[in-house]
Amino acid sequence: KQEVTQIPAALSVPEGENLVLNCSFTDSAIYNLQWFRQDPGKGLTSLLLIQSSQREQTSGRLNASLDKSSGRSTLYIAASQPGDSATYLCALNNNDMRFGAGTRLTVKP
Amino acid sequence: ETGVTQSPTHLIKTRGQQVTLRCSSQSGHNTVSWYQQALGQGPQFIFQYYREEENGRGNFPPRFSGLQFPNYSSELNVNALELDDSALYLCASSLAAGPTYEQYFGPGTRLTVT
Repeated sequence: KQEVTQIPAALSVPEGENLVLNCSFTDSAIYNLQWFRQDPGKGLTSLLLIQSSQREQTSGRLNASLDKSSGRSTLYIAASQPGDSATYLCALNNNDMRFGAGTRLTVKP
Repeated sequence: ETGVTQSPTHLIKTRGQQVTLRCSSQSGHNTVSWYQQALGQGPQFIFQYYREEENGRGNFPPRFSGLQFPNYSSELNVNALELDDSALYLCASSLAAGPTYEQYFGPGTRLTVT
């Protein structure tokens, strides 16, 4: 059974800092991995999707990497802004989608 | 192109009652998946519907049931509500069934059971 772990559970950084969020998983037989953003009480906004054959994806200030052999993915956020404050979730697609519990990010002005 | 929509936004029910949540899939999508997200946790897969048939189910009891209609919109029904059913319910639609298809999420329905 796929287990997905996100560390840290919460992170607080000053504005402008670069940061890395971590996601680890136990079963490397995945089709793809997706990073989502969730604002309090809201739905999920897809940030990046990495197919199993890919190693990274980039969108603006965001870069996500995937290392299946080590069971890890990272989400790198450059030059963080207060508007980046949210919970970030990673999800792995085997035959159903398994989510981590998320990292709650606070970017202080 | 209209995204995934869900109704109602919020709902308060009493333990033992029944509830129906609704989801309209994104245009052109024939697959809908439902998730339950308890406070402080990641979403958990309930089930998926593909072309009006259930196409996979997570570890949820039979009192969680669903439907998909010919226009690919979907309902989630929960009978005999329990306090632990309080959660954000998310639906997601995709172009087709299968793990290679990206899922697009709606805004969710917040269910509170008292």
